[in-house]
Amino acid sequence: GAVVSQHPSRVICKSGTSVKIECRSLDFQATTMFWYRQFPKQSLMLMATSNEGSKATYEQGVEKDKFLINHASLTLSTLTVTSAHPEDSSFYICSALNLNRTVRTQYFGPGTRLTVT
Amino acid sequence: KQEVTQIPAALSVPEGENLVLNCSFTDSAIYNLQWFRQDPGKGLTSLLLIQSSQREQTSGRLNASLDKSSGRSTLYIAASQPGDSATYLCAVRPISPRLTFGEGTQLTVNP
Repeated sequence: GAVVSQHPSRVICKSGTSVKIECRSLDFQATTMFWYRQFPKQSLMLMATSNEGSKATYEQGVEKDKFLINHASLTLSTLTVTSAHPEDSSFYICSALNLNRTVRTQYFGPGTRLTVT
Repeated sequence: KQEVTQIPAALSVPEGENLVLNCSFTDSAIYNLQWFRQDPGKGLTSLLLIQSSQREQTSGRLNASLDKSSGRSTLYIAASQPGDSATYLCAVRPISPRLTFGEGTQLTVNP
């Protein structure tokens, strides 16, 4: 079945540094990928929609200069948290949309736990 | 704006019990509805996907129903097991690809 991977699975960084998270679709091409964040005991909140070869679309309230998204190929999207602060600590989950199937299906990665100290 | 509500927020049952998780949504113009399972600290595992034209989907001990006109879906779990303990999320998709998630139901099945 379709698989979406994320790397790293867990990262701890110091306040003020930048962190890059990779999301890969392993056996299908994904023209559209999504980035979510999830705080403890809360549901997933969509941060942005990433389209290959074009600028990402950010949800209201999400700072595009702080959360840089690059979708340079059909199998890779990256999220860079710039100048991270403790309040950015969260669980980040990416998702890739597979349009090749009869039913449009969204596959989720395993998530990246970011802790900013 | 689409809103998705899941009831109950938490549920604790003894092993072997049949149970129902509820999901309601405010805008019936959906493309499909999906039920996910999330284990602590993990990503999402898709359980069942129901197209807007369908009424239900079944997979093993799981059965999901959809009543689009009333904005409701249920996830039925038969003969629950401790391994079913997880958070169950309902998500709806409009014509655009953006999913809207409910807050989830945290299920605990006690041995």
